[in-house]
Formats: sequence, C-alpha cells, structure tokens
Amino acid sequence: GNSVTQMEGPVTLSEEAFLTINCTYTATGYPSLFWYVQYPGEGLQLLLKATKADDKGSNKGFEATYRKETTSFHLEKGSVQVSDSAVYFCALVTGNQFYFGTGTSLTVIP
Amino acid sequence: GAVVSQHPSRVICKSGTSVKIECRSLDFQATTMFWYRQFPKQSLMLMATSNEGSKATYEQGVEKDKFLINHASLTLSTLTVTSAHPEDSSFYICSAAKGTGGSETQYFGPGTRLLVL
Repeated sequence: GNSVTQMEGPVTLSEEAFLTINCTYTATGYPSLFWYVQYPGEGLQLLLKATKADDKGSNKGFEATYRKETTSFHLEKGSVQVSDSAVYFCALVTGNQFYFGTGTSLTVIP
Repeated sequence: GAVVSQHPSRVICKSGTSVKIECRSLDFQATTMFWYRQFPKQSLMLMATSNEGSKATYEQGVEKDKFLINHASLTLSTLTVTSAHPEDSSFYICSAAKGTGGSETQYFGPGTRLLVL
C-alpha cells in the first residue's frame, strides 16, 4: 500500500538553526513527493515537490531530495526564521490520490 | 497560477442544521476535486473524490448521506454537511486537480472551519 511516515513533533529550534524533518514513504509504482506547509488557521500551501528519483525540490531556502533507494524525502533548511513556524506535511501522490503524513509542527524562537 | 477558494472560511451553526461549503477553482478547470477533513493536530483525511458531472466517490467510513457532494461544473464543487452535530466540527479543506491522469499537482483551498454548537 501507500503511506507516508514523518518524524513526530513538535520541533522547537532557535532562529538560524539547521532544520531537518524526516519523511519516509512506501508506495506502489512511482509516486511524486511533496512537502506542504500549513500556517496557523490556514490551508495547505505547496512548499516544494519532486517527481522522480534524485530530483531535488527547493523553495524559500527549503530543500528535499527524492531518494528512491532509501524511500525518503527529508526536508532541510540551513537557517530557519521565526516566520517558518508552521506545520509541515510530507505527502506522496500516485494517480490522483494524495497520502499525507501526520504533520510535524515547527516552532522557531528568536 | 492556480488558485482555489473556499467559502465560507468560517461557519458556526446550531446542531441539526445543514451547512454548505463551496470550493472553486478560480483560474483553471478542475475535472476532479477532493474533500479532506482535518482534526486538530492531525493530518488530512480524504473524505471523497468528486468528478464533474458524476457521483462522488467516498472513502471508507464516510457517510455519503451526511456529507453530500455536488460537482456541478468544472470550477465548482460543494460539500453539504447535513444535520450537523458537534462531532462534525472540524477543518474542511478542498483541493482541485489540474489536468487529467498522472501525478499532477493538486491545489488546496484555504479551508473552512466548521463549529457546530
């Protein structure tokens, strides 16, 4: 079957710290992988995506590389800001169906 | 761009009443729209897949008579929560898929927070 496993939060970091949020997946076929961000009280916003193995998605300083050999799509950012505080969801899509992880809450403190 | 709107953004209703939530794709045609429900501090759960001009496909455990979905046009899908009860209080999010087939990106609406008193 298809599923996504994310590291559990919450994660609290100081400003300018390095961020890693782990995401692994199981899938039949060749899924596309996504990271979405949800700010308090809002819907999901696409952060980045990768559609095939070894692709790297990047946006706003965040990066994630599609690793087929380890079935992973870890999210990284070199220097987080207070404005990055949000919940981050890893997701895979195969066909039209999305499978979301449970989300990881990130709080960045000044 | 690909913008999806939802209306209303927030609604409070009395128990036993029905609430309609609209999901619109503003600048593209969406043959498929999806409805999700998100409980506090949890992930999104797919409720149903809505295809324009046909009946929605509901996920296991979702009552189709309680959560009525209508996809009347390529830019509009509605979710009606009938005879709402406090346990239906949740954050409802729709998404719309561009194109057909493959792993095209879905675009998410901003969500509708429903509170049933």
